[in-house]
Amino acid sequence: GAGVSQSPRYKVAKRGQDVALRCDPISGHVSLFWYQQALGQGPEFLTYFQNEAQLDKSGLPSDRFFAERPEGSVSTLKIQRTQQEDSAVYLCASSRRSSGRSTDTQYFGPGTRLTVL
Amino acid sequence: AQSVTQLGSHVSVSEGALVLLRCNYSSSVPPYLFWYVQYPNQGLQLLLKYTSAATLVKGINGFEAEFKKSETSFHLTKPSAHMSDAAEYFCAVSDSTGNQFYFGTGTSLTVIP
Repeated sequence: GAGVSQSPRYKVAKRGQDVALRCDPISGHVSLFWYQQALGQGPEFLTYFQNEAQLDKSGLPSDRFFAERPEGSVSTLKIQRTQQEDSAVYLCASSRRSSGRSTDTQYFGPGTRLTVL
Repeated sequence: AQSVTQLGSHVSVSEGALVLLRCNYSSSVPPYLFWYVQYPNQGLQLLLKYTSAATLVKGINGFEAEFKKSETSFHLTKPSAHMSDAAEYFCAVSDSTGNQFYFGTGTSLTVIP
């Protein structure tokens, strides 16, 4: 498996439930990004990690959203007390190098489709 | 601030016809520009990127795009559409750090046999 993988691929949650979405980046990739893609829209930046450090979380829509990457590889996006407006596809991407090298390609996972009822 | 605008949320072309997907950008700094393709239930795949080198950029699957600073455009073209080109296409811009990408709303391409 050389690509970015995400799990689960589909998640249905009742409003108010907590969810955790997992991203396995390409092995050795330093940078990891989370995006939210609402239906019919382009992906919107949520947060960015360089190794285990979360360098930018300006895109997180509320304090109910939390992301971590404790060992600098796998990352988890957690959403607490889910709301209907959280329904979207959550995309993870990784790139080989650290910030300052935007020529590096971001490789995207297939996404997790979250539906909040 | 940076943003991209994709004109036309849906484009239909006949198989073998020219594909033209439009993207205009807004950036206060020299932009890095990208085109991604998304097939159903799959992640985004990079088609091509402009990083201040040649203004005409060639990508995968026969696609290319031309950076025109005077028009703030980065339109995607392909001379002859193939059925397998049917997908969603996203234009994106980032600054030199590459920490944040700003995506357009996407253009859905339909290829008519």
